[in-house]
Amino acid sequence: SQQGEEDPQALSIQEGENATMNCSYKTSINNLQWYRQNSGRGLVHLILIRSNEREKHSGRLRVTLDTSKKSSSLLITASRAADTASYFCASRDQAGTALIFGKGTTLSVSS
Amino acid sequence: NAGVMQNPRHLVRRRGQEARLRCSPMKGHSHVYWYRQLPEEGLKFMVYLQKENIIDESGMPKERFSAEFPKEGPSILRIQQVVRGDSAAYFCASSPGPDTIYFGEGSWLTVV
Repeated sequence: SQQGEEDPQALSIQEGENATMNCSYKTSINNLQWYRQNSGRGLVHLILIRSNEREKHSGRLRVTLDTSKKSSSLLITASRAADTASYFCASRDQAGTALIFGKGTTLSVSS
Repeated sequence: NAGVMQNPRHLVRRRGQEARLRCSPMKGHSHVYWYRQLPEEGLKFMVYLQKENIIDESGMPKERFSAEFPKEGPSILRIQQVVRGDSAAYFCASSPGPDTIYFGEGSWLTVV
């Protein structure tokens, strides 16, 4: 079963613009995480936000969490061509043991 | 501190052969996860193991697939009698606890 769904599926922007990706999930969670995957590579952990947090920052990344709407967003500010990758949200439901991933948003940043 | 190591990175098997994928977790990590990724799709959870125990195999196909994480040595994902539909990237991840997991670079299986 799929816990998270990202939106949009694909996003194309110019360097310097901001990129916003959204994630919706189905069940109550302890935390939600965002990962990045460059083509042909493994996933890299970006940021974790706990269910009692509403917003978290890490460098050019800003993540929000709305547990009442079961949704999260990832904002990348001042994007660079090197940000081109797929971005996935992931979470465990409170009874689950494994981290379940959405299908991802493919971000393309052109210079 | 070396990351999660997977090998082989690329594997080609003929239909009906066996594929064995190996994963050495990060030092100090006792939790291992296997995921499968089909082209243009997200990661599908397969199995979660701790040393000598399968904790959750709810994502494993019921036939031909098995996984182990022995007391000594790497975790192994074994696919018997491979079919073309098994062609995918298989990712291993490890964690020291229940939160963040760390991924290897993947093993790309091609069945011809």
